[in-house]
Parts: sequence; structure tokens; C-alpha cells
Amino acid sequence: NAGVTQTPKFQVLKTGQSMTLQCAQDMNHEYMSWYRQDPGMGLRLIHYSVGAGITDQGEVPNGYNVSRSTTEDFPLRLLSAAPSQTSVYFCASSYLTGGYGYTFGSGTRLTVV
Amino acid sequence: DAKTTQPTSMDCAEGRAANLPCNHSTISGNEYVYWYRQIHSQGPQYIIHGLKNNETNEMASLIITEDRKSSTLILPHATLRDTAVYYCIVLNDYKLSFGAGTTVTVRA
Repeated sequence: NAGVTQTPKFQVLKTGQSMTLQCAQDMNHEYMSWYRQDPGMGLRLIHYSVGAGITDQGEVPNGYNVSRSTTEDFPLRLLSAAPSQTSVYFCASSYLTGGYGYTFGSGTRLTVV
Repeated sequence: DAKTTQPTSMDCAEGRAANLPCNHSTISGNEYVYWYRQIHSQGPQYIIHGLKNNETNEMASLIITEDRKSSTLILPHATLRDTAVYYCIVLNDYKLSFGAGTTVTVRA
């Protein structure tokens, strides 16, 4: 099993550009989520999904869009990148039923200049 | 949402047990306590979780008080590779909410 795969690992964007961060999991997990981590801080939840076709906002959703067309994929779209979105982005997945740990990807390091 | 309180940092000698406390006094009866750690800037790594009973796996032990208002993560024989930020999280409605965690430094 590959687990949770995030691409790209590094990205530099100019202000105003758009891009999509990819996240894929091969564990048939229902739940998927996106977090951002700013330097020296904990992870903050951006968006999450409890299954294909179902998404919801976390604590810091502004400036980001998500969709969940398949169980495996949960892309995160930055519509118009801003320097404040410079961060490390982590994708995580899990089974919905309680008692299972979450699997995290290795992260995408995004710099907006 | 149940909040957790952890010490900001702690040191531990290599080979000794590391005991990491966590307070979660507002936890509800069906909420799990999870522990994760993050080494450098890697993705968080699952360590252990529990509901009521004490739990043990190959990485650590989790001791939950009878009233469930606090817990302790025990790393039985800390190594230099256990240096990391450790997060105690109460799972709410599938969502993991990360606080600042405890920065654990294992010293030789």
C-alpha cells in the first residue's frame, strides 16, 4: 500500500496564480482532510470530506476549494494564491468509524511570492 | 469540542521512560483520546489511541484516568529518534484538532 500520496512536494507560486494540490489514498478510507501548518504552529483544518460527493469546511477554509468525486482523491484548489497561503499542506485520511488512526501524507511545501 | 492542555516542552534522557501528560477535562463519554507526533516537518505520525482502558502497542503506552479527564503517554525507553512534537487530541466528529503540543527533546 502506498498510503496517502501528495503531489507536488514543493511548489512556488506567484501571487494571483491558481493551482491544485493533489492527494490520493489507496486504503479505501471514507474520511479525507486537508491541513495547513505555518512555521512554529500546529496544524489547522482547511476542508474535510466524509465520502465521495460530500465536503465541508474546517477552521480556515477561505481561499481554498475542494471536491471529492472519488473515494481515492481529494484535491485542494487555491483559486488566487496569496503570500498568506505560504505554508506546508498535509492531507490525511481515515476510516469513519471510531478507533482508527489517521494516516498523513508527507506534505506539500508551498511558497507564494 | 473537548480541549486539551499539554506542557509546552520537556526533556528526557535517552534510555529512560518519557511520561507526557495531557489534560482533557471536558471530554465526552464517547470521545477517543489520540496521540500523534511530528518529527521535524514530516507528516504527523499516529502513536496510539484509547477510550477508557489503558492501551499499549509497540510504540507506547496510554494511561487514561478513571474519570477520563487526563491521560499520560509513556514512551518506555526513549531514543534520540523520539525527539518530536507530541500532540494529544480528543477526536470530535471525525475531525482532529491540533493544539501546540509538547516539544520533547531526548538527550544523550
